[in-house]
Order: sequence, then structure tokens, then C-alpha cells
Amino acid sequence: EAQVTQNPRYLITVTGKKLTVTCSQNMNHEYMSWYRQDPGLGLRQIYYSMNVEVTDKGDVPEGYKVSRKEKRNFPLILESPSPNQTSLYFCASRDPFGSGGYTFGSGTRLTVV
Amino acid sequence: QKEVEQDPGPLSVPEGAIVSLNCTYSNSAFQYFMWYRQYSRKGPELLMYTYSSGNKEDGRFTAQVDKSSKYISLFIRDSQPSDSATYLCATVPFSGGYNKLIFGAGTRLAVHP
Repeated sequence: EAQVTQNPRYLITVTGKKLTVTCSQNMNHEYMSWYRQDPGLGLRQIYYSMNVEVTDKGDVPEGYKVSRKEKRNFPLILESPSPNQTSLYFCASRDPFGSGGYTFGSGTRLTVV
Repeated sequence: QKEVEQDPGPLSVPEGAIVSLNCTYSNSAFQYFMWYRQYSRKGPELLMYTYSSGNKEDGRFTAQVDKSSKYISLFIRDSQPSDSATYLCATVPFSGGYNKLIFGAGTRLAVHP
């Protein structure tokens, strides 16, 4: 089944403790992206990647890092999480020659206390 | 001003009603327009996309784009309880290689039997 897999689904952590949210896609998509979703603000792009070793900032990159060492994986790293990073996070991928739409993972609910 | 404005609802309708969901956008450079559906505790899934002004139909769903007034709509005919979800409009600017989706905040729809 074609899908984007994120882990973990739920995470509660403390301020300052480094964490990584993993993302993997099995569709051989070149483009991948991370979004956060907050009430009233909708989905906002954090980082995106056009291919292996090619990443760029989205609208809200502060406090986040990403890496793209392999085509299928695009982890999101929070080096020193803060409470304002409490949010619902989505990883997504797309085929640059496809319909234009992203395929989203099921989300990671992160709470930073 | 947000680049894409969407009434958050909630919108509650009886089964069988015609539903109209709407968004406005501010930048005439936006090219592609999409509608995503998001069920509770799930990632958004692409419902429809369109490039040009006019209508695009897919079963009970019709997407409409009016570029002159920067207005996009999604109509759902014969609405079903299974249509209860949050609907997100999204657009893609030409610049950036179609990497960046800009989302509205989403409209929550409830279809009651």
C-alpha cells in the first residue's frame, strides 16, 4: 500500500529534550515536506525537500531541523523543544510530475511540557 | 491578511443537503487549487484539484474556481454522514516548483442523519 508513515503517533516530552519524528514513504517520491497544524492557523509548512540532500525552509522553520540522506526518509528534529512547538505534525510526499497533491501521513501529536 | 481565507464553521447540515464550502485567496499568482478532506485523527487526503477557472466534477463533488474574483468553492451534492470531516482548501504558487501548498484554516462539516 502506498503510504507515508510517521512515528511516533503521540509524544509527550519535556522542554529542552531533543527528539526526532521519523517519516518514511514507499512511493519513490522526490518531494517531501513537513507541516504543523494548529487550531485557527491551519497547516503551515516547516521544511521541504526536493530530493536527497536538498532541503529548504518553509514558513515556520525556527526551532526545527531536517535531513534527507535517503529518498524515502525525511526526519524532523527538534534540538531543544519548547512548549510553543506543541502541535500536530504531518509529513507529506509528492511526485513532482503527478497531480500536484501531497500524500500525507497520519500525523504526530506532540506535547512539550 | 492571510493568503488563503476560509470560514472555519462549523457547518451542520441534514443528510441529502447540498453543501457549499468556500475560500478566497489574495495572490493572483496562485496556479493550482486543491481541496483536501481530513477526518478526525487522520492526515489530509486529496479530494480534488484544478488548474483553470471553471468547474471540475467528480461524482458528488464539484470544485469551482473563479480566478477573476480569487474565489474557490467545493460543492457536495446529496451529502452523507460519511462526508463529516474538515475540508481544507489549498493553493500552489507557481514559484518554488510547486513545493509549497498554502492552506486555508479548514471548515468543519457535520452531516447529520
